[in-house]
Amino acid sequence: GEDVEQSLFLSVREGDSSVINCTYTDSSSTYLYWYKQEPGAGLQLLTYIFSNMDMKQDQRLTVLLNKKDKHLSLRIADTQTGDSAIYFCAETYPDNTDKLIFGTGTRLQVFP
Amino acid sequence: DAGVIQSPRHEVTEMGQEVTLRCKPISGHDYLFWYRQTMMRGLELLIYFNNNVPIDDSGMPEDRFSAKMPNASFSTLKIQPSEPRDSAVYFCASRGTGGRAALLTDTQYFGPGTRLTVL
Repeated sequence: GEDVEQSLFLSVREGDSSVINCTYTDSSSTYLYWYKQEPGAGLQLLTYIFSNMDMKQDQRLTVLLNKKDKHLSLRIADTQTGDSAIYFCAETYPDNTDKLIFGTGTRLQVFP
Repeated sequence: DAGVIQSPRHEVTEMGQEVTLRCKPISGHDYLFWYRQTMMRGLELLIYFNNNVPIDDSGMPEDRFSAKMPNASFSTLKIQPSEPRDSAVYFCASRGTGGRAALLTDTQYFGPGTRLTVL
């Protein structure tokens, strides 16, 4: 079945880069997404990548897509304490692009 | 726009009681999604609507759960009777369809969630 996997925790020092990884199952997904969830809040779309792209950069965020390995990563440059949150990757269902499959979420903790 | 609005933000109830969660989607959005988030199971899609019609309810756990969307600006998720294992954060999300900026329009926008505790 469909499955999107992420590591559960990541701890980085303020100012360093963070890399959050995700593996997904459906190679036909048109878009892949990264969402951010801050404590007590809903999920907020952070960035996305179209499946025919290998990389997308958006300010401090860089998304890398390796379709062969079905691997997606999110790099946050110059990580700040405000980046502490849970990060979810998501892909569309193979037979229904209305629906998203979310990963388990990676809790990023940034320490001074 | 105020974004997706959910109420209540917190609900504490006793086992066996009826619980009703409410959602107001973003104006103009024609899709509405209900999710449940728990530590054990992560984020699960329960049901979603398109133009007020339920399209896929395969994620609804059991008959104790029901959802309605009587109009384009309001939806409810009801649990009757509630059980302690229903304790979770319930999110509502909405999105639009198509348009020139299709991707942004198709993005799901989440509400702040309702934290439900069933004692």
